[in-house]
Amino acid sequence: DAKTTQPPSMDCAEGRAANLPCNHSTISGNEYVYWYRQIHSQGPQYIIHGLKNNETNEMASLIITEDRKSSTLILPHATLRDTAVYYCIVRGINSGGYQKVTFGIGTKLQVIP
Amino acid sequence: EPEVTQTPSHQVTQMGQEVILRCVPISNHLYFYWYRQILGQKVEFLVSFYNNEISEKSEIFDDQFSVERPDGSNFTLKIRSTKLEDSAMYFCASSDPTAPNTEAFFGQGTRLTVV
Repeated sequence: DAKTTQPPSMDCAEGRAANLPCNHSTISGNEYVYWYRQIHSQGPQYIIHGLKNNETNEMASLIITEDRKSSTLILPHATLRDTAVYYCIVRGINSGGYQKVTFGIGTKLQVIP
Repeated sequence: EPEVTQTPSHQVTQMGQEVILRCVPISNHLYFYWYRQILGQKVEFLVSFYNNEISEKSEIFDDQFSVERPDGSNFTLKIRSTKLEDSAMYFCASSDPTAPNTEAFFGQGTRLTVV
């Protein structure tokens, strides 16, 4: 799986959009970009994933650059409950549903009132 | 929404004792995983389990560890003789083999404290 680079920490004002960047310059054509988060020692929580198109769900949007070497997770209106460590993970296509996750250090997002 | 449940939420054990951590994965999932997170460190993969056998394990998962699916709903992690350095949060996860490229679902964890 390709390596990712994320800033160790970020702040965001409550109600504003939180934009979390991730570099994955060695990503290969069959690797997906996944985002998980972990709120204060709770279990990691899946957010979103994508291959090359931008994706949106009820939690967030994922913007992947055209060359796929970087991506941005966008929380459109951050709340205090979004304070967490956010992990960007690049993984190969897994047939059969095997979903081992290799976590890095992630970005600690602090949402400020 | 279906969820992975873990019990107990917190366990304190004496060094050298055996401990069993329990997990109930999501009912139609067939891949199961254990991870651990030592305080202040990143989440580390321990082992994955499918079709009643270990499919992958990390270097951490040595002979002191074992996993079992004793019945149709539970998935357990046993630490045979606990050490102080086994103190950590342990997370169970599961995934659906009929849904490739979807996500893993994690439980809320068991905090193991070895004294």
